Amino acid sequence: ETGVTQSPTHLIKTRGQQVTLRCSSQSGHNTVSWYQQALGQGPQFIFQYYREEENGRGNFPPRFSGLQFPNYSSELNVNALELDDSALYLCASSTEGFETQYFGPGTRLLVL
Amino acid sequence: GNSVTQMEGPVTLSEEAFLTINCTYTATGYPSLFWYVQYPGEGLQLLLKATKADDKGSNKGFEATYRKETTSFHLEKGSVQVSDSAVYFCALSDQGDSNYQLIWGAGTKLIIKP
Repeated sequence: ETGVTQSPTHLIKTRGQQVTLRCSSQSGHNTVSWYQQALGQGPQFIFQYYREEENGRGNFPPRFSGLQFPNYSSELNVNALELDDSALYLCASSTEGFETQYFGPGTRLLVL
Repeated sequence: GNSVTQMEGPVTLSEEAFLTINCTYTATGYPSLFWYVQYPGEGLQLLLKATKADDKGSNKGFEATYRKETTSFHLEKGSVQVSDSAVYFCALSDQGDSNYQLIWGAGTKLIIKP
């Protein structure tokens, strides 16, 4: 059974740029959630995707957007990067109707 | 809204000591409760969970009991090892109209000295 994978592992961008992060869900999981974890803090829910549609969103501005593909993999896109977007971005997969989420290793984004 | 509060760290213990990390929650309804662990430079790993009142989750010597009357889910281990050094997060599931999202505590860093 393949676990959740994310790419890239690390990324450095400058303010104003755009970034795309990728996530492959665990085998058999059809739901993907994205979280932002700032240094020294707990994760914050960004949004969730199910059946290629956004299925819930946290308190993040519209410049955070996402996609889910037919194979259940997902992308997180962030436009107009700000310094405060520097964080570890975590992807988690789960099965519809089940609460337990399984996390990937994360992508560490640094915005300069 | 729903929230999770954890004891502040770091918690520093000697090897073989008894561990308690406190977690309390505020929630409407009856959420499931989770403990996740994050080792340095890694993502989050599910450690244990409990889905209803009085349930006890356990894994790798760690235990936590869902206490509805005290709205708590404290993490315990009888004898810690150096390899248990990590950040521990308590979380609850928040059910929206059609999804579950996790609400997290701020994390407690655990340092075990040999």
